Amino acid sequence: KAGVTQTPRYLIKTRGQQVTLSCSPISGHRSVSWYQQTPGQGLQFLFEYFSETQRNKGNFPGRFSGRQFSNSRSEMNVSTLELGDSALYLCASSLSLNWALSGANVLTFGAGSRLTVL
Amino acid sequence: AQTVTQSQPEMSVQEAETVTLSCTYDTSENNYYLFWYKQPPSRQMILVIRQEAYKQQNATENRFSVNFQKAAKSFSLKISDSQLGDTAMYFCAFMPAGTALIFGKGTTLSVSS
Repeated sequence: KAGVTQTPRYLIKTRGQQVTLSCSPISGHRSVSWYQQTPGQGLQFLFEYFSETQRNKGNFPGRFSGRQFSNSRSEMNVSTLELGDSALYLCASSLSLNWALSGANVLTFGAGSRLTVL
Repeated sequence: AQTVTQSQPEMSVQEAETVTLSCTYDTSENNYYLFWYKQPPSRQMILVIRQEAYKQQNATENRFSVNFQKAAKSFSLKISDSQLGDTAMYFCAFMPAGTALIFGKGTTLSVSS
Protein backbone atom coordinates (compact mmCIF):
# COMPACT_ATOMS: atom_id res chain seq x y z
CA LYS A 1 0.00 0.00 0.00
CA ALA A 2 1.58 3.26 -1.12
CA GLY A 3 2.05 5.95 1.50
CA VAL A 4 1.49 9.68 1.26
CA THR A 5 3.50 11.06 -1.65
CA GLN A 6 4.70 14.63 -1.75
CA THR A 7 6.34 16.34 -4.69
CA PRO A 8 8.73 17.93 -5.15
CA ARG A 9 10.94 16.83 -2.27
CA TYR A 10 13.25 19.82 -2.54
CA LEU A 11 12.93 23.17 -4.23
CA ILE A 12 14.61 26.55 -4.19
CA LYS A 13 12.78 29.75 -5.01
CA THR A 14 13.53 33.45 -4.76
CA ARG A 15 11.56 36.09 -2.92
CA GLY A 16 8.46 37.22 -4.73
CA GLN A 17 7.99 33.99 -6.67
CA GLN A 18 5.18 31.55 -6.09
CA VAL A 19 5.31 27.82 -5.47
CA THR A 20 2.93 24.89 -5.75
CA LEU A 21 3.38 21.72 -3.72
CA SER A 22 1.54 18.49 -4.40
CA CYS A 23 0.31 15.73 -2.11
CA SER A 24 -1.17 12.37 -3.07
CA PRO A 25 -2.89 10.72 -0.09
CA ILE A 26 -3.07 7.05 0.73
CA SER A 27 -5.62 5.33 -1.48
CA GLY A 28 -9.03 5.61 0.12
CA HIS A 29 -8.10 8.52 2.39
CA ARG A 30 -10.36 11.50 1.83
CA SER A 31 -8.91 14.04 4.24
CA VAL A 32 -5.67 15.89 3.53
CA SER A 33 -3.98 18.28 5.96
CA TRP A 34 -0.97 20.52 5.49
CA TYR A 35 1.54 21.56 8.14
CA GLN A 36 4.52 23.90 8.07
CA GLN A 37 7.61 22.91 10.04
CA THR A 38 10.31 25.45 10.90
CA PRO A 39 13.03 25.40 13.56
CA GLY A 40 11.63 28.49 15.23
CA GLN A 41 7.88 27.93 15.14
CA GLY A 42 7.82 24.14 15.08
CA LEU A 43 4.90 22.40 13.43
CA GLN A 44 1.97 24.62 12.56
CA PHE A 45 -1.30 23.67 10.94
CA LEU A 46 -2.05 25.29 7.60
CA PHE A 47 -5.35 23.83 6.38
CA GLU A 48 -7.37 20.68 5.93
CA TYR A 49 -9.41 19.53 2.98
CA PHE A 50 -12.13 16.92 2.81
CA SER A 51 -14.24 16.13 -0.24
CA GLU A 52 -12.69 19.04 -2.16
CA THR A 53 -13.73 21.56 0.51
CA GLN A 54 -11.55 23.38 2.98
CA ARG A 55 -12.84 22.32 6.37
CA ASN A 56 -10.34 23.92 8.69
CA LYS A 57 -7.72 26.64 8.41
CA GLY A 58 -4.76 27.67 10.54
CA ASN A 59 -3.50 31.15 11.24
CA PHE A 60 -1.58 31.88 8.06
CA PRO A 61 -1.85 34.84 5.66
CA GLY A 62 -3.88 34.64 2.48
CA ARG A 63 -0.70 34.02 0.47
CA PHE A 64 -1.07 30.43 1.55
CA SER A 65 -3.84 28.60 -0.26
CA GLY A 66 -4.75 25.10 -1.20
CA ARG A 67 -7.20 22.92 -2.98
CA GLN A 68 -8.26 19.33 -3.24
CA PHE A 69 -9.25 17.46 -6.34
CA SER A 70 -11.94 14.85 -6.83
CA ASN A 71 -9.36 12.06 -6.49
CA SER A 72 -8.40 13.50 -3.05
CA ARG A 73 -5.01 14.72 -4.27
CA SER A 74 -4.20 18.12 -2.86
CA GLU A 75 -2.04 21.06 -3.76
CA MET A 76 -0.94 24.02 -1.73
CA ASN A 77 0.26 27.27 -3.16
CA VAL A 78 2.31 30.03 -1.63
CA SER A 79 2.38 33.30 -3.53
CA THR A 80 4.80 36.22 -3.18
CA LEU A 81 7.33 34.13 -1.31
CA GLU A 82 9.13 35.59 1.68
CA LEU A 83 12.35 34.42 3.31
CA GLY A 84 10.32 33.28 6.30
CA ASP A 85 8.42 30.81 4.14
CA SER A 86 11.50 28.59 4.04
CA ALA A 87 10.32 25.43 5.74
CA LEU A 88 9.48 21.78 5.49
CA TYR A 89 5.90 21.46 4.32
CA LEU A 90 4.26 18.26 5.47
CA CYS A 91 1.11 16.74 4.10
CA ALA A 92 -0.91 14.17 6.01
CA SER A 93 -3.89 12.09 5.02
CA SER A 94 -6.56 10.29 6.98
CA LEU A 95 -9.71 8.33 6.27
CA SER A 96 -12.09 10.94 7.64
CA LEU A 97 -12.12 14.46 8.99
CA ASN A 98 -9.57 14.93 11.73
CA TRP A 99 -12.12 16.07 14.25
CA ALA A 100 -14.43 13.14 13.72
CA LEU A 101 -12.91 11.61 16.84
CA SER A 102 -13.43 8.17 15.47
CA GLY A 103 -10.93 5.41 15.17
CA ALA A 104 -10.19 6.58 11.66
CA ASN A 105 -8.67 9.96 12.40
CA VAL A 106 -5.04 8.91 12.57
CA LEU A 107 -2.89 11.06 10.31
CA THR A 108 -0.29 9.47 8.08
CA PHE A 109 2.38 11.91 6.99
CA GLY A 110 4.38 12.20 3.82
CA ALA A 111 8.13 12.83 3.74
CA GLY A 112 7.62 16.53 3.12
CA SER A 113 8.68 19.15 0.63
CA ARG A 114 11.69 21.22 1.68
CA LEU A 115 11.27 24.79 0.39
CA THR A 116 14.18 27.22 0.50
CA VAL A 117 13.49 30.85 -0.33
CA LEU A 118 16.53 32.96 -1.27
CA ALA B 1 -5.04 28.96 23.85
CA GLN B 2 -4.50 25.23 23.66
CA THR B 3 -0.85 24.34 23.95
CA VAL B 4 1.46 21.36 24.19
CA THR B 5 4.69 21.60 26.18
CA GLN B 6 7.64 19.29 25.92
CA SER B 7 10.09 20.39 28.60
CA GLN B 8 13.05 18.27 27.48
CA PRO B 9 14.63 19.61 24.28
CA GLU B 10 17.21 16.83 24.20
CA MET B 11 17.68 13.47 25.84
CA SER B 12 20.18 10.67 25.46
CA VAL B 13 20.09 7.03 26.47
CA GLN B 14 22.13 3.89 26.03
CA GLU B 15 20.90 0.93 24.07
CA ALA B 16 18.64 -1.42 26.05
CA GLU B 17 17.86 1.24 28.66
CA THR B 18 14.48 2.80 29.35
CA VAL B 19 13.73 6.47 28.76
CA THR B 20 10.70 8.62 29.47
CA LEU B 21 9.77 11.71 27.46
CA SER B 22 7.53 14.27 29.13
CA CYS B 23 4.56 16.12 27.69
CA THR B 24 1.93 18.37 29.21
CA TYR B 25 -0.95 20.08 27.48
CA ASP B 26 -3.44 22.75 28.25
CA THR B 27 -7.08 22.53 27.24
CA SER B 28 -10.59 22.98 28.56
CA GLU B 29 -11.90 20.30 26.22
CA ASN B 30 -13.08 16.96 27.50
CA ASN B 31 -12.93 14.99 24.25
CA TYR B 32 -9.62 14.77 22.48
CA TYR B 33 -6.85 12.51 21.30
CA LEU B 34 -3.20 12.53 22.24
CA PHE B 35 -0.39 11.26 20.05
CA TRP B 36 3.31 10.71 20.01
CA TYR B 37 4.95 11.03 16.62
CA LYS B 38 8.55 10.20 15.77
CA GLN B 39 10.55 12.07 13.12
CA PRO B 40 13.87 10.42 12.28
CA PRO B 41 16.54 12.22 10.25
CA SER B 42 14.77 11.03 7.10
CA ARG B 43 12.01 13.54 8.10
CA GLN B 44 9.12 11.08 7.73
CA MET B 45 6.74 11.67 10.61
CA ILE B 46 5.68 8.30 12.00
CA LEU B 47 2.91 7.64 14.49
CA VAL B 48 4.25 5.93 17.60
CA ILE B 49 1.20 5.69 19.82
CA ARG B 50 -2.28 7.17 20.32
CA GLN B 51 -4.44 7.68 23.39
CA GLU B 52 -8.13 8.55 23.55
CA ALA B 53 -8.91 10.94 26.40
CA TYR B 54 -12.01 9.03 27.47
CA LYS B 55 -10.01 5.84 28.01
CA GLN B 56 -8.42 5.47 31.41
CA GLN B 57 -6.22 2.57 30.35
CA ASN B 58 -2.80 3.65 29.15
CA ALA B 59 -1.99 2.76 25.55
CA THR B 60 0.91 0.44 24.73
CA GLU B 61 2.56 -0.50 21.45
CA ASN B 62 5.32 -3.08 21.87
CA ARG B 63 8.23 -1.23 23.55
CA PHE B 64 6.32 2.05 23.70
CA SER B 65 3.84 2.92 26.41
CA VAL B 66 2.27 6.08 27.77
CA ASN B 67 1.41 7.37 31.20
CA PHE B 68 -1.76 9.39 30.69
CA GLN B 69 -2.83 11.53 33.63
CA LYS B 70 -5.94 13.38 32.48
CA ALA B 71 -6.42 15.48 35.58
CA ALA B 72 -2.80 16.61 35.48
CA LYS B 73 -2.95 17.00 31.67
CA SER B 74 0.17 14.93 31.35
CA PHE B 75 1.03 12.43 28.63
CA SER B 76 4.52 10.95 28.91
CA LEU B 77 6.06 8.36 26.60
CA LYS B 78 8.15 5.50 27.91
CA ILE B 79 10.48 3.67 25.56
CA SER B 80 11.73 0.37 26.92
CA ASP B 81 14.78 -1.56 25.65
CA SER B 82 15.90 1.44 23.58
CA GLN B 83 17.36 0.68 20.16
CA LEU B 84 19.62 2.69 17.86
CA GLY B 85 16.70 3.03 15.46
CA ASP B 86 14.78 4.95 18.11
CA THR B 87 17.08 7.93 17.54
CA ALA B 88 14.76 10.68 16.31
CA MET B 89 12.85 13.77 17.29
CA TYR B 90 9.69 12.91 19.19
CA PHE B 91 6.65 15.13 19.05
CA CYS B 92 3.77 15.06 21.45
CA ALA B 93 0.55 16.17 19.77
CA PHE B 94 -2.95 16.89 20.90
CA MET B 95 -6.13 16.92 18.84
CA PRO B 96 -9.23 18.48 20.38
CA ALA B 97 -12.57 18.03 18.70
CA GLY B 98 -13.11 20.38 15.79
CA THR B 99 -9.48 21.35 15.28
CA ALA B 100 -6.24 20.02 13.88
CA LEU B 101 -3.20 18.53 15.56
CA ILE B 102 -1.39 20.84 17.93
CA PHE B 103 2.24 19.86 18.31
CA GLY B 104 4.81 20.41 21.00
CA LYS B 105 8.28 21.68 20.09
CA GLY B 106 9.74 18.19 20.19
CA THR B 107 12.37 16.24 22.10
CA THR B 108 15.48 15.04 20.31
CA LEU B 109 16.33 11.55 21.52
CA SER B 110 19.77 10.06 20.89
CA VAL B 111 20.34 6.37 21.50
CA SER B 112 23.96 5.27 21.66
CA SER B 113 25.64 1.88 21.81
